[in-house]
Amino acid sequence: DAGVIQSPRHEVTEMGQEVTLRCKPISGHNSLFWYRQTMMRGLELLIYFNNNVPIDDSGMPEDRFSAKMPNASFSTLKIQPSEPRDSAVYFCASSRTGGATQYFGPGTRLLVL
Amino acid sequence: GQQLNQSPQSMFIQEGEDVSMNCTSSSIFNTWLWYKQDPGEGPVLLIALYKAGELTSNGRLTAQFGITRKDSFLNISASIPSDVGIYFCAGQRGTGNQFYFGTGTSLTVIP
Repeated sequence: DAGVIQSPRHEVTEMGQEVTLRCKPISGHNSLFWYRQTMMRGLELLIYFNNNVPIDDSGMPEDRFSAKMPNASFSTLKIQPSEPRDSAVYFCASSRTGGATQYFGPGTRLLVL
Repeated sequence: GQQLNQSPQSMFIQEGEDVSMNCTSSSIFNTWLWYKQDPGEGPVLLIALYKAGELTSNGRLTAQFGITRKDSFLNISASIPSDVGIYFCAGQRGTGNQFYFGTGTSLTVIP
């Protein structure tokens, strides 16, 4: 079975540009999570969805960040406009609703210059 | 947000040695997970614990769910070079899907 798929794997952009990160969860999983990982703050939950509905977005740092899940097999995390402090690795994870185990994607490494 | 404290922050050990790391919280959790993250990859689940006192093994790895439900530990026996990576604990309260992640323990195994 394919795991969680994320694209792009690497993104280098200039400050002020829009960045869109994409995620395809594992088929059959109803919950999807977006995390950000930095050396300073570790793994931080940004937002998670159950059955395509955002449940908790309290971790989204600012209005510049937005996430959507238009269907069960696709989600996006958008940063607009991007800033250098947004540089981090962004992970998407999925799980069965009510299940404990989250499966992580390989991450998108974002560098904002 | 919820704070999970992992210790030690980093470890440098000789190949063949045993490793022990733990995770503590000020809150009670109903589920504990242990993940390993290799460089450039996403975290991969190692062990899941669902009951206070539960002791679970996965090969050379053993993890326990603390009786107080506020802590968990992970042991690795007879370490090998491929054990190198960052180990994260994660805890879940109640029946919600949200997990809180620890700060990570970086393990280096010297051949």
